[in-house]
Amino acid sequence: NAGVTQTPKFQVLKTGQSMTLQCAQDMNHNSMYWYRQDPGMGLRLIYYSASEGTTDKGEVPNGYNVSRLNKREFSLRLESAAPSQTSVYFCASRDSAAPQHFGDGTRLSIL
Amino acid sequence: GDSVTQMEGPVTLSEEAFLTINCTYTATGYPSLFWYVQYPGEGLQLLLKATKADDKGSNKGFEATYRKETTSFHLEKGSVQVSDSAVYFCALSANDYKLSFGAGTTVTVRA
Repeated sequence: NAGVTQTPKFQVLKTGQSMTLQCAQDMNHNSMYWYRQDPGMGLRLIYYSASEGTTDKGEVPNGYNVSRLNKREFSLRLESAAPSQTSVYFCASRDSAAPQHFGDGTRLSIL
Repeated sequence: GDSVTQMEGPVTLSEEAFLTINCTYTATGYPSLFWYVQYPGEGLQLLLKATKADDKGSNKGFEATYRKETTSFHLEKGSVQVSDSAVYFCALSANDYKLSFGAGTTVTVRA
């Protein structure tokens, strides 16, 4: 089925470890996004990529880096994980004026 | 900046009750407005949208009307079912790329 695929679905890290969250979409969308979801705060944009070859900071970029590897893939990297980065991470994609399509999320716990 | 304020939850209802979730927004220009739904353990799915003033979005028995004069986009359903239990997010897009989300409202429907 077409959609946005995120890996892994669950991960536990120790403080200071690094990790890359993967996201791939097969809808040929130009724009891709990374959000984090925390209780009572909705979804907050971390980084986005309006098109292949470009990336921009969102609302909460500190502690994260991204790579738009190609049109399909957009990865999120935590270089040195901190407990404050415990969250559920969602990747999304869209094209033109269409609404965003979301993946099922990665549940990340940092001890 | 752009922002969305939605009714705090949790909201608990009995089956066949009327549901309303308030949403107001602040934005420059003329944003598009959305309601997304998140079922347990899943990503967000678009429920409905409206792209200009007085538009009514509808889907699965849910409705919301874009009210520019009150900067609101309240979600309503006349008769809820247990299967409507989920977290509902109001969101706006004031440019081509980014969504701003409300904090989310958890709705539980009891049989």
